[in-house]
Amino acid sequence: GAVVSQHPSWVICKSGTSVKIECRSLDFQATTMFWYRQFPKQSLMLMATSNEGSKATYEQGVEKDKFLINHASLTLSTLTVTSAHPEDSSFYICSARDSRRGPKAQYFGPGTRLLVL
Amino acid sequence: QKEVEQDPGPLSVPEGAIVSLNCTYSNSAFQYFMWYRQYSRKGPELLMYTYSSGNKEDGRFTAQVDKSSKYISLFIRDSQPSDSATYLCAGSNAGGTSYGKLTFGQGTILTVHP
Repeated sequence: GAVVSQHPSWVICKSGTSVKIECRSLDFQATTMFWYRQFPKQSLMLMATSNEGSKATYEQGVEKDKFLINHASLTLSTLTVTSAHPEDSSFYICSARDSRRGPKAQYFGPGTRLLVL
Repeated sequence: QKEVEQDPGPLSVPEGAIVSLNCTYSNSAFQYFMWYRQYSRKGPELLMYTYSSGNKEDGRFTAQVDKSSKYISLFIRDSQPSDSATYLCAGSNAGGTSYGKLTFGQGTILTVHP
């Protein structure tokens, strides 16, 4: 089956630093990738939609200058949390959509746990 | 009002029980409905996928969608301890700029005890 990887799986950083999270589709081309954030015991909240070769579309309330998304190739999207603060601590999950296979072909990565001290 | 409402539970059942998980939604544009299973500290994995109203069965799992009442259900027969996880329902539009965007419910924590 389709595999999506994320790196790193967890990261601890100091307040004010930037953290980059990678999302890769390993065996298919993903024209669209989605970035979600999940706080403890809460659901996944969509942050942004990333289309290869174009600017990401951010959901209402998500600061685009704080959460930088780059989707430079059909298999890689990155999320950079700039000047991270403790309230940014969360579980970040990406999903990649295989556009050739219809709307159900959306596969989630294993997530990246971010802790900002 | 959230677009997708789901009782967070927790729900605890004995092994072998039939489990019923439910969600309601408010967005009439939703055409696709999914159920995902998420184990602790892992990403969600797709369990069931339904287009529009109707039933779909896959092994021990049955998904039901009633668009007239905006109600979606997941039934698990002969539940096993390995089914213990958080179950998330999600809805998605059929096309346009929202194509592929999933709106999730809060998730129901299920524990199946031996």
